[in-house]
Amino acid sequence: DTAVSQTPKYLVTQMGNDKSIKCEQNLGHDTMYWYKQDSKKFLKIMFSYNNKELIINETVPNRFSPKSPDKAHLNLHINSLELGDSAVYFCASSPTHSSGNTIYFGEGSWLTVV
Amino acid sequence: SQQGEEDPQALSIQEGENATMNCSYKTSINNLQWYRQNSGRGLVHLILIRSNEREKHSGRLRVTLDTSKKSSSLLITASRAADTASYFCATGGRYGGSQGNLIFGKGTKLSVKP
Repeated sequence: DTAVSQTPKYLVTQMGNDKSIKCEQNLGHDTMYWYKQDSKKFLKIMFSYNNKELIINETVPNRFSPKSPDKAHLNLHINSLELGDSAVYFCASSPTHSSGNTIYFGEGSWLTVV
Repeated sequence: SQQGEEDPQALSIQEGENATMNCSYKTSINNLQWYRQNSGRGLVHLILIRSNEREKHSGRLRVTLDTSKKSSSLLITASRAADTASYFCATGGRYGGSQGNLIFGKGTKLSVKP
């Protein structure tokens, strides 16, 4: 069974569209994350949720809106997509939000905005 | 802001050789982790070393941490073609990452030739 699963894996869409990426973890973890990896492989955190509560929002444009209906799910909705949003988006989870936790990553969602 | 910086950015070796990757960081940390990313996949946790540890082993992996120099190294011994991947260091802790989130470096791309 996949521990952290995200869909879709590939997404090609036009500028201005709205799209969502879904994420689910079956590890029983309290904390979930969204990371963005750019074309230079630089991985940067976007959001972190702990038990459905937002705890980290790293200066991400408000076009990006995470939603956590329960602690096993953290979806990412992106409005008015821009060319610069093209990247790989990784969902991840960890047992708690304390430092020292291993983070478990999904396989990534490749977003291409044309 | 980015915390870890891996060096070299790319490394190409022959199977059977050892591979050493270095990571430098800027602020005080509680722990440092190394992750591996195969092409087109998510990141996988390899090893965690705490700030009060100097060396840690896991199979063919050896990690060192020098907090006085704010640096860490990852050594892969007797490398195999299957070790080909990008390797990232990540720092966590009250200064190295807010609320427990990890801050990743840009990674070292390792290529092991058969």
